[in-house]
Amino acid sequence: DQQVKQNSPSLSVQEGRISILNCDYTNSMFDYFLWYKKYPAEGPTFLISISSIKDKNEDGRFTVFLNKSAKHLSLHIVPSQPGDSAVYFCAANSGYALNFGKGTSLLVTP
Amino acid sequence: DGGITQSPKYLFRKEGQNVTLSCEQNLNHDAMYWYRQDPGQGLRLIYYSQIVNDFQKGDIAEGYSVSREKKESFPLTVTSAQKNPTAFYLCASSYDMGRGNIQYFGAGTRLSVL
Repeated sequence: DQQVKQNSPSLSVQEGRISILNCDYTNSMFDYFLWYKKYPAEGPTFLISISSIKDKNEDGRFTVFLNKSAKHLSLHIVPSQPGDSAVYFCAANSGYALNFGKGTSLLVTP
Repeated sequence: DGGITQSPKYLFRKEGQNVTLSCEQNLNHDAMYWYRQDPGQGLRLIYYSQIVNDFQKGDIAEGYSVSREKKESFPLTVTSAQKNPTAFYLCASSYDMGRGNIQYFGAGTRLSVL
């Protein structure tokens, strides 16, 4: 049963605009959330994370928001750049391993 | 440069054959993991190891085996019992398995069946 869900398989955004990638989870025991970025035929690269005791974490153009009551988190990329085009995976820490969503493919067009 | 090295990049398996995927890390990480990715799917955990000489089954361990004789190495064997082995295999490591552990990934091995 999928405990981490990314319901949008793809997203297209114009360069310079904001990209918002969403993620929902079902297990209230998850206490740490991570976002990874993946290019084709490569391994995922860690992007940003957030602890469940926080509701926001920012790193440059990337901000992750966590709404624990809604079991929802989102990744904001501002401004979006063509090099951001990749698949983004949301992951949640269950204490021994990471549970991954199926990913959202982001395309940033010039 | 510290990192995780997976080899080979591409691997072909014949019917009934066992194949072994290599994973080496020089990050001095205690924990290592194997994931499988299928098209349009997320990463699913095959096996993980918290420490040398210890490993545990993940969500989809059937048809796979691992060993952890050295801290740096965590090879994965895809046995003939794995009936649908075609996938992209990813190895990862992390400092430990505690809360907030960040896993770092290798470049992956793509396995296909001849």
